[in-house]
Amino acid sequence: GAGVSQSPSNKVTEKGKDVELRCDPISGHTALYWYRQSLGQGLEFLIYFQGNSAPDKSGLPSDRFSAERTGGSVSTLTIQRTQQEDSAVYLCASSSLAGRTGELFFGEGSRLTVL
Amino acid sequence: AQSVTQLDSQVPVFEEAPVELRCNYSSSVSVYLFWYVQYPNQGLQLLLKYLSGSTLVKGINGFEAEFNKSQTSFHLRKPSVHISDTAEYFCAVSLIYNQGGKLIFGQGTELSVKP
Repeated sequence: GAGVSQSPSNKVTEKGKDVELRCDPISGHTALYWYRQSLGQGLEFLIYFQGNSAPDKSGLPSDRFSAERTGGSVSTLTIQRTQQEDSAVYLCASSSLAGRTGELFFGEGSRLTVL
Repeated sequence: AQSVTQLDSQVPVFEEAPVELRCNYSSSVSVYLFWYVQYPNQGLQLLLKYLSGSTLVKGINGFEAEFNKSQTSFHLRKPSVHISDTAEYFCAVSLIYNQGGKLIFGQGTELSVKP
């Protein structure tokens, strides 16, 4: 597609349920990032995929969070046993130059509300 | 570890007035510097970046930023703002050497331009 696509755009779930958020990066981009945007917290790095290398998971806040990237393209962020503090906008971005010198292209985000 | 501090969470300003959004960073190694903008209900987009060379960087929509290594700052400026500049602005850094390529973001500055 023309840009980074994320789905769903909005998700309301009950505490304790699992959720999956999907990201479809720009075709040909080798790097893919997940960030979390909470009110007053800025953008919090979660996880980074670059080609076939092992992902950088250093930002995942707990073992309830996991992500995978299949075939070097689409990525899914999974949150198990959701908690109210997981409510946030989850942003996906992709890049063609590993982000070090290149530009990150962001999707419009998936807004998660945990009741 | 790297960190980014945006000194103002909110900046109200009148139309056609000048504005400066402040950003300081902390890093023990050299970094690349970025400003991203998020317009209401939209994804983030790159405003400008500093990689090397001239410390004064010009970006889109008349914005510019100056890299000051001694003060570890990368303040964003515009001589005359428009209503359409109302948005949230994020300063970010990434490491020059291979540390994963992820961007570390500040907490954002909400620029509100009033008529």
